[in-house]
Amino acid sequence: NAGVTQTPKFQVLKTGQSMTLQCAQDMNHEYMSWYRQDPGMGLRLIHYSVGAGITDQGEVPNGYNVSRSTTEDFPLRLLSAAPSQTSVYFCASSYSGSYTDTQYFGPGTRLTVL
Amino acid sequence: AQSVTQLDSQVPVFEEAPVELRCNYSSSVSVYLFWYVQYPNQGLQLLLKYLSGSTLVESINGFEAEFNKSQTSFHLRKPSVHISDTAEYFCAVSDRGTGFQKLVFGTGTRLLVSP
Repeated sequence: NAGVTQTPKFQVLKTGQSMTLQCAQDMNHEYMSWYRQDPGMGLRLIHYSVGAGITDQGEVPNGYNVSRSTTEDFPLRLLSAAPSQTSVYFCASSYSGSYTDTQYFGPGTRLTVL
Repeated sequence: AQSVTQLDSQVPVFEEAPVELRCNYSSSVSVYLFWYVQYPNQGLQLLLKYLSGSTLVESINGFEAEFNKSQTSFHLRKPSVHISDTAEYFCAVSDRGTGFQKLVFGTGTRLLVSP
């Protein structure tokens, strides 16, 4: 199993550009989520999905779009990048999203918006 | 809403010394508690978790944490650290009433183990 994979590892954008961060898992997990990690602030939940076709907002959803067309993939779209979105983005997955599940994290994407 | 406080941003220790990483949380409802570890340039990995039952939980690599409800704490301890324990450690909580696990993380504590 590859676990949770994320691409790209690094990305530099200009303000106003759009891009998609890719996330895939091969563990047949129903629950997937996106977090951003900023210095001094820990990780914050952006969006999550409890299965194909079902998504919901987390703590900091503004400026981000998600969709879940397959169980395996959960891309995160930045519609118009802003410097405030400079961060490290982590995708995570778990079997069902229940309170007792272990969440598995990808290696992260480091995004810089100029 | 829950919150997690990790007061120590960095903890330097010598190899084979004991260490305690502090975590306090606030919540109006019962919570589940987690410790995650992040090695350099990697994603987070679950270290241990408290769900119910015994308030002392252990990991496979010698860490342990104790849930203290009265003090709303979940401190992480290891009696003798190794160089390989150098990493950032995150405490997290999940509200039992939200339907799905939505982790709220602390700001992290960087453990620096030197020879």
